[in-house]
Amino acid sequence: GAGVSQSPSNKVTEKGKDVELRCDPISGHTALYWYRQSLGQGLEFLIYFQGNSAPDKSGLPSDRFSAERTGGSVSTLTIQRTQQEDSAVYLCASSFIGTTNTGELFFGEGSRLTVL
Amino acid sequence: SQQGEEDPQALSIQEGENATMNCSYKTSINNLQWYRQNSGRGLVHLILIRSNEREKHSGRLRVTLDTSKKSSSLLITASRAADTASYFCATDARGNKLVFGAGTILRVKS
Repeated sequence: GAGVSQSPSNKVTEKGKDVELRCDPISGHTALYWYRQSLGQGLEFLIYFQGNSAPDKSGLPSDRFSAERTGGSVSTLTIQRTQQEDSAVYLCASSFIGTTNTGELFFGEGSRLTVL
Repeated sequence: SQQGEEDPQALSIQEGENATMNCSYKTSINNLQWYRQNSGRGLVHLILIRSNEREKHSGRLRVTLDTSKKSSSLLITASRAADTASYFCATDARGNKLVFGAGTILRVKS
């Protein structure tokens, strides 16, 4: 497709289970971002990938969270041993310009995670 | 703390009125962007203003940037019910990642 695609759109899981969230960025976009948004809140930065550079992981809230980006394209955000406070919408975005001149971000529709 | 802080947190106006939202930030930036979000899902880019620009227009949107005060404003003129959404500013001060503020919830009553 032409836009950023995220899957699943909704995920309900039990506390303690692992979950994987997937993001397909726009083809050719060099930068990829993951954000988390709790109900009624702003966007919390999680992680940023830019080309072949080491990712900026400074926003990951704990070592239960990890992300990878394979082949400079698809990214997977993994949350291990989920907790109820992990419940949120996880948003992925990509951008063509991601170096010294941050460009417009294109967002996916998000993955809504509910941890019971 | 958030790099961008929007003000007010919520705004309710009548259709046809203008809506003004403000954003303050703490450190030097390369550019500042405004985004809109409907229904708590994906955000849509509205406008980008670079640090060497002071004002920018796009349709009914007008954005100003005052780097000396580290602040920006978004003006929506002749608002419509369809403008009801959350509006976020985002800055790229910390490296190249964009950091978003908490947003302003705008409600336009018809």
